[in-house]
Amino acid sequence: DADVTQTPRNRITKTGKRIMLECSQTKGHDRMYWYRQDPGLGLRLIYYSFDVKDINKGEISDGYSVSRQAQAKFSLSLESAIPNQTALYFCATSDHTSGANVLTFGAGSRLTVL
Amino acid sequence: AQSVTQLDSQVPVFEEAPVELRCNYSSSVSVYLFWYVQYPNQGLQLLLKYLSGSTLVKGINGFEAEFNKSQTSFHLRKPSVHISDTAEYFCAVSDRSARQLTFGSGTQLTVLP
Repeated sequence: DADVTQTPRNRITKTGKRIMLECSQTKGHDRMYWYRQDPGLGLRLIYYSFDVKDINKGEISDGYSVSRQAQAKFSLSLESAIPNQTALYFCATSDHTSGANVLTFGAGSRLTVL
Repeated sequence: AQSVTQLDSQVPVFEEAPVELRCNYSSSVSVYLFWYVQYPNQGLQLLLKYLSGSTLVKGINGFEAEFNKSQTSFHLRKPSVHISDTAEYFCAVSDRSARQLTFGSGTQLTVLP
């Protein structure tokens, strides 16, 4: 099994629908992140969480919300999806004891909003 | 805040030729630097990192990078590429608090037979 598992891997939805992307990890890491990847823009940080009670906005949090249900689970929600949220979404984890921000990534969730 | 510029969006190169992927960063404080690789339909994986010490860093699959503080660069090199090196490569930077990692826009390396 993968260390960082994202579900669903692919999702097609319509404008205005609520969507949840889920992430779970078996690394035992305390930090979790959600990134969005768009062609030519690289990865941009949406939200990050350093523990269950510590959630922070990233560069592009508007239109998104997150929930850290447990140390191992971090979900991303789009309350009312819009077409420009069509992208590849990555969950990542890291361990603060490593001394540097070395991330372990999931395989990605491709979201298409029609 | 930090920023990263990857100067080339696409780099085509023939098999067994050398390659350099360029990365420049901007920061007012000391930084950690990283290169990640993304193979088709996969997530990103760490290629190498610079935290401190020797400015020449060796990574997996024969890649290496050199930290140049005066030029604020962290270019990635490989002396002889293989078809299997075809992937997208991302340079990333964080400050020493390591709270956030900022990625560049990526460079698509395509190795031609």
